[in-house]
Amino acid sequence: DAGVIQSPRHEVTEMGQEVTLRCKPISGHNSLFWYRQTMMRGLELLIYFNNNVPIDDSGMPEDRFSAKMPNASFSTLKIQPSEPRDSAVYFCASSAPGGRGYTFGSGTRLTVV
Amino acid sequence: AQKVTQAQTEISVVEKEDVTLDCVYETRDTTYYLFWYKQPPSGELVFLIRRNSFDEQNEISGRYSWNFQKSTSSFNFTITASQVVDSAVYFCALSEIGGYSTLTFGKGTMLLVSP
Repeated sequence: DAGVIQSPRHEVTEMGQEVTLRCKPISGHNSLFWYRQTMMRGLELLIYFNNNVPIDDSGMPEDRFSAKMPNASFSTLKIQPSEPRDSAVYFCASSAPGGRGYTFGSGTRLTVV
Repeated sequence: AQKVTQAQTEISVVEKEDVTLDCVYETRDTTYYLFWYKQPPSGELVFLIRRNSFDEQNEISGRYSWNFQKSTSSFNFTITASQVVDSAVYFCALSEIGGYSTLTFGKGTMLLVSP
């Protein structure tokens, strides 16, 4: 299994631009999570999906952030418009039913200048 | 609400020393999982162990061992004979069992192992 695949690995963009992060979960996993990691706040959950349905998006910082999961094998996290304070590493993770194991992708390092 | 506390922000040791990373958790769930993840300088999050709250047996894997004590809500991680390659940030995490479970992370402990 290729694991959780995130793209791009690095993204540098200018303030105000739209940014789209992508994630392909492990086949057979029915839960998908987006986490953000910053020095100040550590690893924080942004949103998670179960069977492609968003369950809790209370961690999404503001309306500039949106996430979709159109099918079991693909999810996106979009920031529009981006701001410098959005600079962070964004991780996608997936898990099988029951939360027995969480596998993380390699992360996307986003820099907004 | 769930909470994980890793009080040690940074630990520095010399190679071959033993080191223990502390983790204390809070949860109202009677059943839960506890995890440790390693984040090396390359940035990925590497799964180390998952522990079920039913099972308080300590676990050893090579130079790594974990001490789970439900009475004190602690799940400490010990590295024996540390090596430079152990240098990383280590995260303790907690999730409920079943339902819509999510991982709650501690702030992490940065371990620096010098030669």
